[in-house]
Amino acid sequence: EIVLTQSPGTLSLSPGERVTLSCRASQSIAGSYLAWYQQKPSQAPRLLIYGASVRATGIPDRFSGSGSRTDFTLTINRLEPEDFAVYYCQQYDSSPVTFGGGTKVDIK
Amino acid sequence: DVQLLESGGNLVQPGGSLRLSCAASGVTLNNYFMTWVRQAPGKGLEWVSDITVGGGSTYYADSVKGRFTISRDISRNTLFLQMNTLRSDDTAVYYCAIRRGPSFGYTEYWGQGTRVTVSS
Repeated sequence: EIVLTQSPGTLSLSPGERVTLSCRASQSIAGSYLAWYQQKPSQAPRLLIYGASVRATGIPDRFSGSGSRTDFTLTINRLEPEDFAVYYCQQYDSSPVTFGGGTKVDIK
Repeated sequence: DVQLLESGGNLVQPGGSLRLSCAASGVTLNNYFMTWVRQAPGKGLEWVSDITVGGGSTYYADSVKGRFTISRDISRNTLFLQMNTLRSDDTAVYYCAIRRGPSFGYTEYWGQGTRVTVSS
C-alpha cells in the first residue's frame, strides 16, 4: 500500500500568512490521483482539491494544489480565520486508498 | 443537494455487533462507488470498506476483514456496515462517503459521521 507522509505535523500561523503543506508518497502516484481535505473540529472532512491541482466546487481560489509522482503540495494564500483546521491528503491511485496523517494549522 | 445521514452508532461491549446505516438523499447510491472511513479519537482518517457501483464487488481493510460487511439496499437508497466481533480499537467516528472520479476515486461527499464506542 502507498504510505503518505505529511509534514509538518503542526503549523502555528497568523491570519493573512501564506502556508505550504507537504504530502510525500512512498511510491509514485500515477495520474496525479491525489486529493486534499480540510477537517474542522467535530465536522466531517471536506474535499478541497482532487487530481492534485483541481479545486472542488465552491473552494476559494486561495487554495491551490500542485505536485506529481511522490511530492505534492497544498498552498493556502492569505490565511483566513476559517482556514485553521487539519488538512489531509489521500491517494486514490491504488487500492487500498490511503490518507496521510494530517497537518494541523492553528492560530499563532 | 447530496446528503448522507449515518445512524446506528452506539456504545457496545467488546465482542458485540452493530449495524451502521447511511441514508442518502439527492443521489442514487447504486450509481456510485461508496465507502466507509473511520476516525479514532484524536487520530487521522482510515479507510474501512468499499462497495462498487451496482454493488458487484466489496473491499475491506485488513483490520476489519472477516468481521465487517458492507452492503446496500437499493429500494431504501441506504448503505450499511455490519460490524461483528467488535474490538476496542474499532472505537471511532464512522463516515459514509461517495467516491467519484478516475481510478479508485476521490471522496467527494461525506456524511456527518456516527460514533461507535467499544468498551466494557
